[in-house]
Amino acid sequence: DGGITQSPKYLFRKEGQNVTLSCEQNLNHDAMYWYRQDPGQGLRLIYYSQIVNDFQKGDIAEGYSVSREKKESFPLTVTSAQKNPTAFYLCASSFEGNQPQHFGDGTRLSIL
Amino acid sequence: SQQGEEDPQALSIQEGENATMNCSYKTSINNLQWYRQNSGRGLVHLILIRSNEREKHSGRLRVTLDTSKKSSSLLITASRAADTASYFCATDGRSGNTPLVFGKGTRLSVIA
Repeated sequence: DGGITQSPKYLFRKEGQNVTLSCEQNLNHDAMYWYRQDPGQGLRLIYYSQIVNDFQKGDIAEGYSVSREKKESFPLTVTSAQKNPTAFYLCASSFEGNQPQHFGDGTRLSIL
Repeated sequence: SQQGEEDPQALSIQEGENATMNCSYKTSINNLQWYRQNSGRGLVHLILIRSNEREKHSGRLRVTLDTSKKSSSLLITASRAADTASYFCATDGRSGNTPLVFGKGTRLSVIA
């Protein structure tokens, strides 16, 4: 089955720690995205990548970093510089920027 | 950068009734999309309507688009308890391969 997989489902971060969220897709999509969703809110774009080895900042990139070394994978690192990381993180992919996006089931990040 | 704004923020109806949600946006678009999100899950694409289309149907869903008013509506007919979810509109920009911008969503509760 084709799809997009995020792991882990729940993640806890200690003060001063970097954590990495995994996102893998087998849909052969060129574009991948990371969003942050706070309770009762919409999606805010953190980073996106339209092709391997290239990515762009979204609206709230500060305190986050990404890499796109393989077409299938787009991991997100939440660094210690992100002072309010508690949120629901969603990864998505699509063939092109304005085409329908397929989403993973999210990672919920909390602070210990 | 918020493009789409859904209205109302929350909607509660009885099973069997119709549910209408609206989306307004600010700039010209190539297409507008509607997504559904069940609690704690990723978004699921429902329907895409292009800027040269006025109405589109998919099962119990009916979407309209009025580009002169920069607005769209999503109608769910004969609603079911399983339709309980948040619904988001997403718009693209006319300037090439830019990512979608999501609104804050409408929370729909269908009471059995």
